[in-house]
Amino acid sequence: NAGVTQTPKFQVLKTGQSMTLQCAQDMNHNSMYWYRQDPGMGLRLIYYSASEGTTDKGEVPNGYNVSRLNKREFSLRLESAAPSQTSVYFCASRGTPWETQYFGPGTRLLVL
Amino acid sequence: AQKITQTQPGMFVQEKEAVTLDCTYDTSDQSYGLFWYKQPSSGEMIFLIYQGSYDEQNATEGRYSLNFQKARKSANLVISASQLGDSAMYFCAMREGHNGNQFYFGTGTSLTVIP
Repeated sequence: NAGVTQTPKFQVLKTGQSMTLQCAQDMNHNSMYWYRQDPGMGLRLIYYSASEGTTDKGEVPNGYNVSRLNKREFSLRLESAAPSQTSVYFCASRGTPWETQYFGPGTRLLVL
Repeated sequence: AQKITQTQPGMFVQEKEAVTLDCTYDTSDQSYGLFWYKQPSSGEMIFLIYQGSYDEQNATEGRYSLNFQKARKSANLVISASQLGDSAMYFCAMREGHNGNQFYFGTGTSLTVIP
C-alpha cells in the first residue's frame, strides 16, 4: 500500500511563480488535508476537504487554492509564490471521524 | 488562546528510563479527540496514540500511554523504557467535535534519548 503520496518532494521557486503540489491517497478516505510546517510553529491547517466535491478553509488559507479532483486526489496551488510560503507542506487523509490522519512524506518548498 | 500547548521545547532522557511529554488543550466542545505524533529527523509524521474525550480509560499502545486528565485539560504522553530510536520531535494534536475536520497541533517537544 502506498498510503498518501506527494509530489514533488522538493521545489525551488522564484517570487511570483506558480506551482501545484499534488497529493493522492489509496485508502479510500473521504477527508483530505493540507498543512504547512514552519520551524517552531507545529503544523497549521491550510485547507481541507471533508468529502469529494467540498473544500473548506483552515487556519492559514491566504495565498493558496485547492482542488479535490476526485476521491483520491487533493491538490494545493500557489498562484503567486512569496518567500513567506517557504515551508514544508504535508498532505494527510482520514477515513472515519475517530481515526487518525495519515500523512504523506511532505514537500519542501523554497521560495526565493 | 492556543488550542494546544506544549511547554517543553526540549527533553532529555536516559535510555531505558520513562519520560513524560506534556500537553494541555483548550476547547469548549464536549466531544473531541487527542492525538500524539512522532516526527523523526527523516521528516515523516507517525501516529502514536489516540484518546477520545469520552474514553474512560487512558489509551495505551505498546510503550506509549496517554495520561488523560479531563478536568485539567491535559493529555500527557508517557514513553516507557526509552530507546535510542525514540529520539524525535513529538507533537500533540486535537480534533474538535465528533466529526470535526479542524485539527490543531502544538509546537512540539524535541526528545533526545541518551545512551
